[in-house]
Amino acid sequence: AQTVTQSQPEMSVQEAETVTLSCTYDTSENNYYLFWYKQPPSRQMILVIRQEAYKQQNATENRFSVNFQKAAKSFSLKISDSQLGDTAMYFCAFMKPLMQGGGSEKLVFGKGTKLTVNP
Amino acid sequence: ETGVTQSPTHLIKTRGQQVTLRCSSQSGHNTVSWYQQALGQGPQFIFQYYREEENGRGNFPPRFSGLQFPNYSSELNVNALELDDSALYLCASTLGGLAYGYTFGSGTRLTVV
Repeated sequence: AQTVTQSQPEMSVQEAETVTLSCTYDTSENNYYLFWYKQPPSRQMILVIRQEAYKQQNATENRFSVNFQKAAKSFSLKISDSQLGDTAMYFCAFMKPLMQGGGSEKLVFGKGTKLTVNP
Repeated sequence: ETGVTQSPTHLIKTRGQQVTLRCSSQSGHNTVSWYQQALGQGPQFIFQYYREEENGRGNFPPRFSGLQFPNYSSELNVNALELDDSALYLCASTLGGLAYGYTFGSGTRLTVV
C-alpha cells in the first residue's frame, strides 16, 4: 500500500519570502502521479501542482514549484514570494493511474502541513 | 464557482441514525469519488463511482454506501452512525480522470453525537 508522509505539521513564513514544504512517499510502483493540494478555511481542496513520475523535469506553476526526487521518493513544494492568500493547509497526495480493465483512481493523502503567511 | 456542490454544509446526527450526503457535479463528470477527512487528518478514500457503478472502495465498512445518478449527482449514505464517523466528507468529480483533473466540493461537516 502507498503511504504519504508530511513531517512538518505547521510552518510559518513572512510575506514575500520563500518556504519549502516537505513530502515523502512510499510505493513500489514505477508510474504514478504526485500532487500538492491547498485547503483554505473554505474547506475546498484546490489543486496547486502535479507531477508525473515518468517526467524528470520538475513541475512549476507560477510561484509554485516542486523538487521531485524519484529515487529518494521525495516531493517537496516551494512557494516563492509568499502571499497572505497562501495561508492554508497543504496536502501532498499520491495517485496510481487507472489500470487497464477497471479499477479506480484514488488519491492517497498525507496528514497535511498548516502554512501561515505573516504580514 | 467550484463546479461541484455539496449539501448540506453542516449536519448533526445522533449515534445509530442514518445520513445521506449529496453531491452535484458538473455536466459530463462521469466519475465521482468520496473522501472522509477526520479533524487534523488528510482525506481518506471511501469509494469511487464511474457511470453509476462502484468501481473502487477504500477501507470502509459496508454501512458506507453510495449512488450515482445519470444527472451527474451522487449520494453518500452512512447507516448506523458511530461517533468516529464525525468528519468532513468531500466529493470530487472528473470528466475523465487524471487527464482532466479532479474538482473537489467544499464538503459536508458531519457531527455525530
